[in-house]
Amino acid sequence: DAGITQSPRHKVTETGTPVTLRCHQTENHRYMYWYRQDPGHGLRLIHYSYGVKDTDKGEVSDGYSVSRSKTEDFLLTLESATSSQTSVYFCAISESLQPGNTIYFGEGSWLTVV
Amino acid sequence: DAKTTQPPSMDCAEGRAANLPCNHSTISGNEYVYWYRQIHSQGPQYIIHGLKNNETNEMASLIITEDRKSSTLILPHATLRDTAVYYCIVKKGGSEKLVFGKGTKLTVNP
Repeated sequence: DAGITQSPRHKVTETGTPVTLRCHQTENHRYMYWYRQDPGHGLRLIHYSYGVKDTDKGEVSDGYSVSRSKTEDFLLTLESATSSQTSVYFCAISESLQPGNTIYFGEGSWLTVV
Repeated sequence: DAKTTQPPSMDCAEGRAANLPCNHSTISGNEYVYWYRQIHSQGPQYIIHGLKNNETNEMASLIITEDRKSSTLILPHATLRDTAVYYCIVKKGGSEKLVFGKGTKLTVNP
C-alpha cells in the first residue's frame, strides 16, 4: 500500500467553522490530489498539486482552498464549512502524469457538517 | 477522457473466476485503461492498467480487445473479500484526472 496518511479520519464540525484536512505521504511523489465522494456523484476532483506551492483547481473547487508547503503534506481547508460539504474526502498521490502512471488513494476522511 | 460503460452489478461464486466487462468504444490511441476497486468505506484501490497488451499481476488479469474498444478484468479465484465496486477508467497521459463512473458492484457469494 502507498504510504498515505489522512487526518483526521473522522470529524464532526458546525456550519461556519473552518476545517483543515491533512494528507501526508512518505513516497516523495510529486503530485497530490484531493477528491470528495458523495452518493450519486462518485469521486470528484477538488484540487491537486504538482509540486511545492504549485496547485490547481479541479471540477468542484468552490469553497475549498489547498496548500502545499512541503512535498509530503497537502492540506485541504474549508474556510467556512457548509452542510453541502459533508462528504468523504480522499487524498491521492502519483509520481508523474506520464502515460501509464498510477494514482494511489488514502483511506479517507469522513467529515460531517451540522 | 473517453467514457466507459460497465454493468451495474454482477455476482460470482467464491473460488470461481470473476470476469468484469467494460466498454470504452471512444478510447483514443494514447489512453490507458485502469481498473480500481473500492471496498465499502475504504479508499479506491489500484488493481491494474494497460494500453493494448494483456496484463497480469498478483491481483488480476486485464484483457483488452484488439480494437481496444472493450476490456475485461479477470479475478481468477474470487474470494468473499473481493466483494467491492469495480471501476473501469480510461485516462490519457498528461491528464491529472481520474474520472470515476458508477462502476460494477461485484458480490462474491459463498
